[in-house]
Amino acid sequence: DAGVTQSPTHLIKTRGQHVTLRCSPISGHKSVSWYQQVLGQGPQFIFQYYEKEERGRGNFPDRFSARQFPNYSSELNVNALLLGDSALYLCASSLVVSSSYNEQFFGPGTRLTVL
Amino acid sequence: ILNVEQSPQSLHVQEGDSTNFTCSFPSSNFYALHWYRWETAKSPEALFVMTLNGDEKKKGRISATLNTKEGYSYLYIKGSQPEDSATYLCANSGGGADGLTFGKGTHLIIQP
Repeated sequence: DAGVTQSPTHLIKTRGQHVTLRCSPISGHKSVSWYQQVLGQGPQFIFQYYEKEERGRGNFPDRFSARQFPNYSSELNVNALLLGDSALYLCASSLVVSSSYNEQFFGPGTRLTVL
Repeated sequence: ILNVEQSPQSLHVQEGDSTNFTCSFPSSNFYALHWYRWETAKSPEALFVMTLNGDEKKKGRISATLNTKEGYSYLYIKGSQPEDSATYLCANSGGGADGLTFGKGTHLIIQP
């Protein structure tokens, strides 16, 4: 079975542009979470979606938004890109919404560079 | 805010030696502690999810212990092999859908 997949692998944008990142969870998983990892830091939680609804949000500005589709895949959108948005964006899927006890399975990430 | 600290930041170990490193987390509002291994250019791989004080889990040569009262977890690798070279991340969960709070990781390099 395929694991969590993300596209694209790499992306280069300029300041002020908009970007959309995509994630497909493991088959049967209904929850998708997004994390941002900047160099030298651990991944930081952005959003969690379950059954197409936002269930949790980290400390990120409104320029960050996401949605989940009926097939449980998800998109992360970032508007008005800043240099500081350059990071690896990780997607994780899990069976259910709670992240406390359930294992989260991560994709390989999308490397976003903002020039 | 659930601050998670990991030490050391990086570690060089001779092949065949055993090693361990630490994850510290706030003991209040604890739900679960997750350990991940992350090899370069790959996806983070879940190693353990630990919830009970005194819990010890093992997967092959890797094991972990948990002390929720004092807020720390140790990860042990016995007889290190080159394929153990990776960044080891721990993450605390405060419950609900607020995601995991990760430490910065311990970067482990096994030297032949």
